[in-house]
Amino acid sequence: GEDVEQSLFLSVREGDSSVINCTYTDSSSTYLYWYKQEPGAGLQLLTYIFSNMDMKQDQRLTVLLNKKDKHLSLRIADTQTGDSAIYFCAERSQAGTALIFGKGTTLSVSS
Amino acid sequence: DTAVSQTPKYLVTQMGNDKSIKCEQNLGHDTMYWYKQDSKKFLKIMFSYNNKELIINETVPNRFSPKSPDKAHLNLHINSLELGDSAVYFCASSQDGPSGGNTGELFFGEGSRLTVL
Repeated sequence: GEDVEQSLFLSVREGDSSVINCTYTDSSSTYLYWYKQEPGAGLQLLTYIFSNMDMKQDQRLTVLLNKKDKHLSLRIADTQTGDSAIYFCAERSQAGTALIFGKGTTLSVSS
Repeated sequence: DTAVSQTPKYLVTQMGNDKSIKCEQNLGHDTMYWYKQDSKKFLKIMFSYNNKELIINETVPNRFSPKSPDKAHLNLHINSLELGDSAVYFCASSQDGPSGGNTGELFFGEGSRLTVL
């Protein structure tokens, strides 16, 4: 079945770069997503990447996709305390319509 | 205007009771979902409806019954509540699957925190 794996915690200092990694299993995934969840709130889409792309950059965010290894990463440049949140990787396969989420990486940013 | 709205935001109830959570989306989407987020923040799909038709029903106890009166609404009714049902329940919606430039992203509500005592 489909499965998405992420490390659970990441701690960085303000101003550093953060890299959150994710592996997925469904090679037919058409889109892969990164969502952010702040405390007490719902999930907000941060960015997504189409499966025929290797990289996508959006301001401080860089998404890298390695389809061969089924590995996705999210890099946040110049991490700020406001970036502290849970980051979820998600895949959407051609077979289904729901997103399958990883367990979420809690990013803690210290000043 | 809130795109995906859920009520109530908080629900505290006793074991054995029956409760409902309502969800409405004003995005004109065809598909709606219920996800459960447990105390460890893990998110699992429970149900998915497309144009009022059930299309995903994961391994969820049949005490949980979704109902979609129209494509803008998806409600979740839970019978005989158990302690393990305590969680945050998220409603979400999306346009149909990725095609024609549609990314298939999900739009989430703010969640309904259910506490069963």
